[in-house]
Amino acid sequence: GNSVTQMEGPVTLSEEAFLTINCTYTATGYPSLFWYVQYPGEGLQLLLKATKADDKGSNKGFEATYRKETTSFHLEKGSVQVSDSAVYFCALSPLNRDDKIIFGKGTRLHILP
Amino acid sequence: EPEVTQTPSHQVTQMGQEVILRCVPISNHLYFYWYRQILGQKVEFLVSFYNNEISEKSEIFDDQFSVERPDGSNFTLKIRSTKLEDSAMYFCASSPPGQGANEQFFGPGTRLTVL
Repeated sequence: GNSVTQMEGPVTLSEEAFLTINCTYTATGYPSLFWYVQYPGEGLQLLLKATKADDKGSNKGFEATYRKETTSFHLEKGSVQVSDSAVYFCALSPLNRDDKIIFGKGTRLHILP
Repeated sequence: EPEVTQTPSHQVTQMGQEVILRCVPISNHLYFYWYRQILGQKVEFLVSFYNNEISEKSEIFDDQFSVERPDGSNFTLKIRSTKLEDSAMYFCASSPPGQGANEQFFGPGTRLTVL
């Protein structure tokens, strides 16, 4: 079956530190991969996506590369800000048009000033 | 920029009562979804809806739940005879027609509290 595993949180970093949140997936076929972010008290927002192997998704300084050989989609940012504090969800969707999104458990990120 | 809206933002109900959660998807979208997130846990798929019928539903989506698109703009989730364990954040999502990744646009959620 399809599943997503991401690193446990919370992750606490100082401002301007380098961030990595690991994510691996199990899927039949070639899924699309996503990172969603949930800021305190808000809903889910798409942060970035990648639809095929070796694609790099990027947004707001965050990046993730679709690695088919390692079935991974790790989220990185070179210099985090206090405003990046949120819960980050790795997710996948099988290629069918109206398939559900399968989420990881989420990683809470705290950035200290 | 168009967005998915949900009402109410917070619903409190007594155990055994029925609730209806409302969503207005983005206007040209054709695929609609409900997810839930129990506090501190991951987001779980409930049901998908296309062409006025359910496309897929999860094990969670039993006879207690139903969905409807009553008027071409609203998309509702009805929960009958609510239980304590139905307390969660419920997210509506929609996605557009066309090719490409199954990118879903999420609403801000309705927090349901069952007492």
